[in-house]
Amino acid sequence: GENVEQHPSTLSVQEGDSAVIKCTYSDSASNYFPWYKQELGKRPQLIIDIRSNVGEKKDQRIAVTLNKTAKHFSLHITETQPEDSAVYFCAAGGNEKLTFGTGTRLTIIP
Amino acid sequence: DTGVSQDPRHKITKRGQNVTFRCDPISEHNRLYWYRQTLGQGPEFLTYFQNEAQLEKSRLLSDRFSAERPKGSFSTLEIQRTEQGDSAMYLCASSGNQETQYFGPGTRLLVL
Repeated sequence: GENVEQHPSTLSVQEGDSAVIKCTYSDSASNYFPWYKQELGKRPQLIIDIRSNVGEKKDQRIAVTLNKTAKHFSLHITETQPEDSAVYFCAAGGNEKLTFGTGTRLTIIP
Repeated sequence: DTGVSQDPRHKITKRGQNVTFRCDPISEHNRLYWYRQTLGQGPEFLTYFQNEAQLEKSRLLSDRFSAERPKGSFSTLEIQRTEQGDSAMYLCASSGNQETQYFGPGTRLLVL
């Protein structure tokens, strides 16, 4: 089955700086890679996703890159703000199910 | 609210009791998923329905767990003879024609 590894587990950045979170996956059949943001006690919320036929996708301050050959994908957040503080999860899969990474706790330092 | 809803939001039960959770997906979504999340971990896949058919079950889903989606709309997840290790957040998600899964608020289960 699919195995997703996520790094780092914790990340602190100064407000206004960029944050990068990296994930690797094992199953070459995975074709869909979403990123979720989860605040304490709340549901995971989709922030961006990418499909295997695309190498990069951007939405305002958030971007995701995918390297299918190396089986890794990354989340980039620029101009970080205090409200970006949360736990971020990457996932890999398709229509049937998603396999999630273990999460990155991002703290934005004012 | 047209998002995924779950009921109850919290459940405290004693070891050995049975519990049942309900999930109402986004109305036009034909796929429904159950996940379990423990503290500090990402959601772990339990099972998945397309319409009323249960198409895949994780090996995490022991014989004490059963899920149904009888009319292809809402779903229930039942845990029989609960154990302390069952304490977790149980998340439901739904998706339509695309792969994007939208999560509900979860049911937090505590087994004493």
